[in-house]
Amino acid sequence: DAGVIQSPRHEVTEMGQEVTLRCKPISGHNSLFWYRQTMMRGLELLIYFNNNVPIDDSGMPEDRFSAKMPNASFSTLKIQPSEPRDSAVYFCASSLQLAGGEQYFGPGTRLTVT
Amino acid sequence: RKEVEQDPGPFNVPEGATVAFNCTYSNSASQSFFWYRQDCRKEPKLLMSVYSSGNEDGRFTAQLNRASQYISLLIRDSKLSDSATYLCVPGDNFNKFYFGSGTKLNVKP
Repeated sequence: DAGVIQSPRHEVTEMGQEVTLRCKPISGHNSLFWYRQTMMRGLELLIYFNNNVPIDDSGMPEDRFSAKMPNASFSTLKIQPSEPRDSAVYFCASSLQLAGGEQYFGPGTRLTVT
Repeated sequence: RKEVEQDPGPFNVPEGATVAFNCTYSNSASQSFFWYRQDCRKEPKLLMSVYSSGNEDGRFTAQLNRASQYISLLIRDSKLSDSATYLCVPGDNFNKFYFGSGTKLNVKP
């Protein structure tokens, strides 16, 4: 079975450029989560969706970050403009139910902003 | 105060050893509990859910103490392949997960 799919796996970009990260959740899962992981801050939840609707975006660092989920099988996380401090691994995860369901992670996108 | 507190380690143990990790969480309303493992430069992977009555999966045993807000993981007969970072994860009733910073385990031959 296909797990959570993320693209690209690696992204190197220059400061000021727009970055778009993509995620395809596990088929049938109705909750989707975007996380960011750095050595300093660990794994942080940025935003999550239930049935394509954003439920909690309190973890989104600032207005430069935005996320969308136009349908049940696709979500994007956009950073515009990007800054060097955005360099991190960005994970997408999905789960079958909102309360109590295990989350399954994609392989992550390693973002480097120079 | 952090949502989840874990000893970062590293725990360096020989193959075959028994090792235990603990974590404490601050949100008394937490509803679900998990242990994840994360290998270097990989995504977190679900190791096991943690139930109030305690549960076992092969060499792994998880315990939950709601009164003390404490979760534990015991690994018996450690294998080299158990080397990883173990993340303690309580979730609230909206499935918002709070990841600990993890405990690093190194199993040596």
